[in-house]
Amino acid sequence: QKEVEQDPGPLSVPEGAIVSLNCTYSNSAFQYFMWYRQYSRKGPELLMYTYSSGNKEDGRFTAQVDKSSKYISLFIRDSQPSDSATYLCAMGGRTGGYQKVTFGIGTKLQVIP
Amino acid sequence: NAGVTQTPKFQVLKTGQSMTLQCAQDMNHEYMSWYRQDPGMGLRLIHYSVGAGITDQGEVPNGYNVSRSTTEDFPLRLLSAAPSQTSVYFCASGRDRRNTEAFFGQGTRLTVV
Repeated sequence: QKEVEQDPGPLSVPEGAIVSLNCTYSNSAFQYFMWYRQYSRKGPELLMYTYSSGNKEDGRFTAQVDKSSKYISLFIRDSQPSDSATYLCAMGGRTGGYQKVTFGIGTKLQVIP
Repeated sequence: NAGVTQTPKFQVLKTGQSMTLQCAQDMNHEYMSWYRQDPGMGLRLIHYSVGAGITDQGEVPNGYNVSRSTTEDFPLRLLSAAPSQTSVYFCASGRDRRNTEAFFGQGTRLTVV
């Protein structure tokens, strides 16, 4: 079993839809959680990070963490064609004596005009 | 402010050849790391550095060497290229070893034939 599970998609939605992207994890040592956006043939860019359970909002993006269920989500409101990209979840914590960050494989999102 | 700069963007190597992937950052970040990204595998950590003169192995270090003589530069050396090293390589930098806010370069697409 992978430490971080993420559905690769692809996920296609119409413009204006609410998008829900999710990851589950198995390592209880994970304490902080990030979402990255990666456009085709580009490097990942950080969207949001959070340390605690609950919601964190930034514009059209909301990150949600449920540590008891080991489940994190990213919601995108009023999705735009420019949101079409691959979304990577990442989570980190102290494992084996060093700080470790583990990435999901990414979910490919296409927002159709 | 260029962020994280990787060179070259593309490279084709023959099996057994060696080469160095360059990475430079201008944000005065202490933490730098190298990842490889393969389909269905997510980003995997190769090597990382928490400051000039300090490096350590990540998840998949075999076949790669790194050094960190300055804060700005973190080159990755392939000692004897193998087809299994065909991948997209990303360099990243961050303010601290938790890597909660990693800034990624644009990537180097390497093909080993």
